[in-house]
Amino acid sequence: GNSVTQMEGPVTLSEEAFLTINCTYTATGYPSLFWYVQYPGEGLQLLLKATKADDKGSNKGFEATYRKETTSFHLEKGSVQVSDSAVYFCALRKRDRGSTLGRLYFGRGTQLTVWP
Amino acid sequence: DGGITQSPKYLFRKEGQNVTLSCEQNLNHDAMYWYRQDPGQGLRLIYYSQIVNDFQKGDIAEGYSVSREKKESFPLTVTSAQKNPTAFYLCASSILLQPTGGRDIQYFGAGTRLSVL
Repeated sequence: GNSVTQMEGPVTLSEEAFLTINCTYTATGYPSLFWYVQYPGEGLQLLLKATKADDKGSNKGFEATYRKETTSFHLEKGSVQVSDSAVYFCALRKRDRGSTLGRLYFGRGTQLTVWP
Repeated sequence: DGGITQSPKYLFRKEGQNVTLSCEQNLNHDAMYWYRQDPGQGLRLIYYSQIVNDFQKGDIAEGYSVSREKKESFPLTVTSAQKNPTAFYLCASSILLQPTGGRDIQYFGAGTRLSVL
């Protein structure tokens, strides 16, 4: 079946530190991959996405590369800020054959806290 | 501004009571979704709908019901049969996949936190 495994948190970093949150997936075919971010008390916002192998998604200094050979989509940022403190979710989208609907499958989320 | 509005933000349910969570979108999206979020569990799909008057069960539909009478609205009812309803509920919407794919990003509302009294 389809599933996403992401690194367990919480992750605690000092401002300007380097961030990596690991994400691996299991899926047949060629899913699209996403990172969503959730700030306290809010819904999810799309952070970045990649739709095919070797694509790199990037936004707000965050990057992730779709690696089909390792079935991974690790999130990275070179220098985190206090405002990056949030929960980060890795997700894959898989469309069933003959369907126009792409279901999302989420990882469990990783809590990031950045201290000044 | 276009977006997804969920209400109420907080909701309390008494024993044996049905409660309904509202989700409205003005993005002209065909597809709508309901997810349940529990601490450390990620999001799990409850129900989804691709078109008015049609919807399908997700992975954890038991104890929940939905309707899709209008394109803009997809209310979720948490019935008394749902024995553990305390959770954060998120509604989302998207366009349907195009043949070339890529544009059907799901957009989320701000959520409703349901607790049991």
